[in-house]
Amino acid sequence: GDSVTQMEGPVTLSEEAFLTINCTYTATGYPSLFWYVQYPGEGLQLLLKATKADDKGSNKGFEATYRKETTSFHLEKGSVQVSDSAVYFCALSDSQGAQKLVFGQGTRLTINP
Amino acid sequence: ETGVTQSPTHLIKTRGQQVTLRCSSQSGHNTVSWYQQALGQGPQFIFQYYREEENGRGNFPPRFSGLQFPNYSSELNVNALELDDSALYLCASSKQGVTNQPQHFGDGTRLSIL
Repeated sequence: GDSVTQMEGPVTLSEEAFLTINCTYTATGYPSLFWYVQYPGEGLQLLLKATKADDKGSNKGFEATYRKETTSFHLEKGSVQVSDSAVYFCALSDSQGAQKLVFGQGTRLTINP
Repeated sequence: ETGVTQSPTHLIKTRGQQVTLRCSSQSGHNTVSWYQQALGQGPQFIFQYYREEENGRGNFPPRFSGLQFPNYSSELNVNALELDDSALYLCASSKQGVTNQPQHFGDGTRLSIL
């Protein structure tokens, strides 16, 4: 079945550092890809999405490009802030049926001032 | 625009009991999905409801059941609770029929089984 594998955490960076969180997927069809963020004690918030190959999703300085040839959707940010500390989830959704989301295990990010 | 709301926020039950969790979908959304998130893990799809019927189910036993009401709100029911059912239960809503529509999540109900 479909699956998502994320870079294992936790990841600790200093403020203004460059961030990459790796995400690769396995899917039989042509899924849409998402990054969700979860702040402590809260549900998931959609950070960005891409629906087809070579699409780039972006939001709040974060970017990720849908790479079909490498089945990847890595999350990047050029300069992180303390407020970016959270757990980040990569997810896919197939375009058929129930459109359920399949999530990776999450990557905990801590940014130190 | 009203977001997804879930109740209660926290719940403590004992093994063998039954529990009902509630979710109100975001305005304009007609589909509700439920996910179970164990501590330190990513959410796992339980099932989805559309037009008051189950529209897809993950790898969960039949003691996990649900309902959707005409106003698109939903309930998740779990019977014969087990210790492993301790988790954060997330509800997400979306609009069926809109391609690649992202799901919007509530803050979840944290269920603890003693």
